[in-house]
Amino acid sequence: RKEVEQDPGPFNVPEGATVAFNCTYSNSASQSFFWYRQDCRKEPKLLMSVYSSGNEDGRFTAQLNRASQYISLLIRDSKLSDSATYLCVVNWGSTLGRLYFGRGTQLTVWP
Amino acid sequence: NAGVTQTPKFQVLKTGQSMTLQCAQDMNHEYMSWYRQDPGMGLRLIHYSVGAGITDQGEVPNGYNVSRSTTEDFPLRLLSAAPSQTSVYFCASRLLEAYEQYFGPGTRLTVT
Repeated sequence: RKEVEQDPGPFNVPEGATVAFNCTYSNSASQSFFWYRQDCRKEPKLLMSVYSSGNEDGRFTAQLNRASQYISLLIRDSKLSDSATYLCVVNWGSTLGRLYFGRGTQLTVWP
Repeated sequence: NAGVTQTPKFQVLKTGQSMTLQCAQDMNHEYMSWYRQDPGMGLRLIHYSVGAGITDQGEVPNGYNVSRSTTEDFPLRLLSAAPSQTSVYFCASRLLEAYEQYFGPGTRLTVT
């Protein structure tokens, strides 16, 4: 079983739509959680960290459910520029531990 | 401040050839790592380093060597290229006490 699993996608939504991505992780000792964004043929970049209490950054909201080992990312009022692949990333252990990347969920926002 | 740089951007090799992918960062990050990204597979860790002189294997190390003689540089060597090593290779770095990784622009490698 892969350590980090994401919705297969792709998601195709109109501008202004709300879209949610889900991610599950296998190791209950996981400590830190992130969403990265990767544009086509570019490198991944950190979008936001995910905190236990949930956190929001503008139109983006991340939630963590430790009991269900589940992370989500909600994007409100989608923009064309949100089109990208979203990677769920999990770390367990200390900062010396490695990051585990999900395979990514592709989002296309159409006008 | 260049961040993480990688060279070359594109490379075509014949089976059996060797080459070195270069990676450098100017952020004084202790932690550096190499990933490969294949369609449908996500990012997989090849090798990583927590400081100069210290390297360790990741998830898919076979066929690759690394060394870390300075904080700035972390080259990845392909010993004898195989078609299965056709992939996009990303180098990344971060501070040891932080989780945010900074990725280089990638090297697209094709082995024929």
